[in-house]
Amino acid sequence: QKEVEQNSGPLSVPEGAIASLNCTYSDRGSQSFFWYRQYSGKSPELIMSIYSNGDKEDGRFTAQLNKASQYVSLLIRDSQPSDSATYLCAVILVGSGNTGKLIFGQGTTLQVKP
Amino acid sequence: NAGVTQTPKFQVLKTGQSMTLQCAQDMNHNSMYWYRQDPGMGLRLIYYSASEGTTDKGEVPNGYNVSRLNKREFSLRLESAAPSQTSVYFCASRDRVVGELFFGEGSRLTVL
Repeated sequence: QKEVEQNSGPLSVPEGAIASLNCTYSDRGSQSFFWYRQYSGKSPELIMSIYSNGDKEDGRFTAQLNKASQYVSLLIRDSQPSDSATYLCAVILVGSGNTGKLIFGQGTTLQVKP
Repeated sequence: NAGVTQTPKFQVLKTGQSMTLQCAQDMNHNSMYWYRQDPGMGLRLIYYSASEGTTDKGEVPNGYNVSRLNKREFSLRLESAAPSQTSVYFCASRDRVVGELFFGEGSRLTVL
């Protein structure tokens, strides 16, 4: 079992809809969680970081964290074709001594259709 | 503002050849990372360095070595390249307080 898991997709949504991206992790002690967006041929870029249970909103993006369920999600409201990309969930694992071991899921490909 | 700089950006090797990927950051970050990315596999951690003088194995360390030369530089070495090491390699650095990773532009390596 991978330490960070995502559904690889593709997830296809119509323009203007809400896209929901999900991620689970295995290290119960993890405290730091990140969502990155990666366009084809480019480097990943940070969308959101979240450290506390609950929701964190930034514009059209909302990150949700539930540490009890070891689950983190990203909602994209009013999805646009320009949101079409691969979304990567990342978690800092603490099981190996809190050295900052930062692991990514395999990424979910999002397609927003006009 | 250079951020994270990786060299080379493209490299073709023959099986058994060696090479070193160089990475430097100018953000005074303590932590540096090397990832590889293959289609459908996301980013897989090869090695990381929490601070100058320390290195730790990641998810896929076999066939690689690293050197944290100083606070700015973190190199990745392939001693005897294999076709399975054909990939895009990303270097990244991170401030342990702020938390987010900053990535280089990637190095595309092909091993024939």
